[in-house]
Amino acid sequence: AQSVTQPDIHITVSEGASLELRCNYSYGATPYLFWYVQSPGQGLQLLLKYFSGDTLVQGIKGFEAEFKRSQSSFNLRKPSVHWSDAAEYFCAVAGSSNTGKLIFGQGTTLQVKP
Amino acid sequence: EAGVAQSPRYKIIEKRQSVAFWCNPISGHATLYWYQQILGQGPKLLIQFQNNGVVDDSQLPKDRFSAERLKGVDSTLKIQPAKLEDSAVYLCASSLLIRVETQYFGPGTRLLVL
Repeated sequence: AQSVTQPDIHITVSEGASLELRCNYSYGATPYLFWYVQSPGQGLQLLLKYFSGDTLVQGIKGFEAEFKRSQSSFNLRKPSVHWSDAAEYFCAVAGSSNTGKLIFGQGTTLQVKP
Repeated sequence: EAGVAQSPRYKIIEKRQSVAFWCNPISGHATLYWYQQILGQGPKLLIQFQNNGVVDDSQLPKDRFSAERLKGVDSTLKIQPAKLEDSAVYLCASSLLIRVETQYFGPGTRLLVL
């Protein structure tokens, strides 16, 4: 069965420091992968997605992610974190290419220190 | 364009009562999803509609949960009777087609069952 693991429940970084959020997936075929961000009281907003092609994907707000098939990973990165990046981040894999159903990880809460 | 609308934003009920949530997807989006997000977890798909037909309701607790999308536009999710463990945020999302693509999420309805 498809699954997504985000090993870090909570991460704290200083403003201006680099960030990497980890995501590991389990999926038998070619995965369709997503990163969403959720600010308090808000719905989920898509940061970026990987369907095929270049394994380094650029997203909004300066985020990028790299798909590594050999490691079953899709880690999210940002070179310099801003205080406004404090939020919860979810990695997801499409459970079915036909229906678009998403399977989410448990999320990583990012805290940014001034 | 207008985003996914949900109401109410917050609801507090006692166990064994009933409750209903409403969702209006982005205009023209054929696919509508209801997710349940329990505190500290990622969203879990409850039911998916393609126009007014059900595509996937495998994780919907059908003894107490029901959902409909009668005219293929807005949708209602109902819980009757509610249990304590139903306390969660209920997220509605929509996408243009039924396939793997970006899902657009509403702000969610936060339910507390006492």
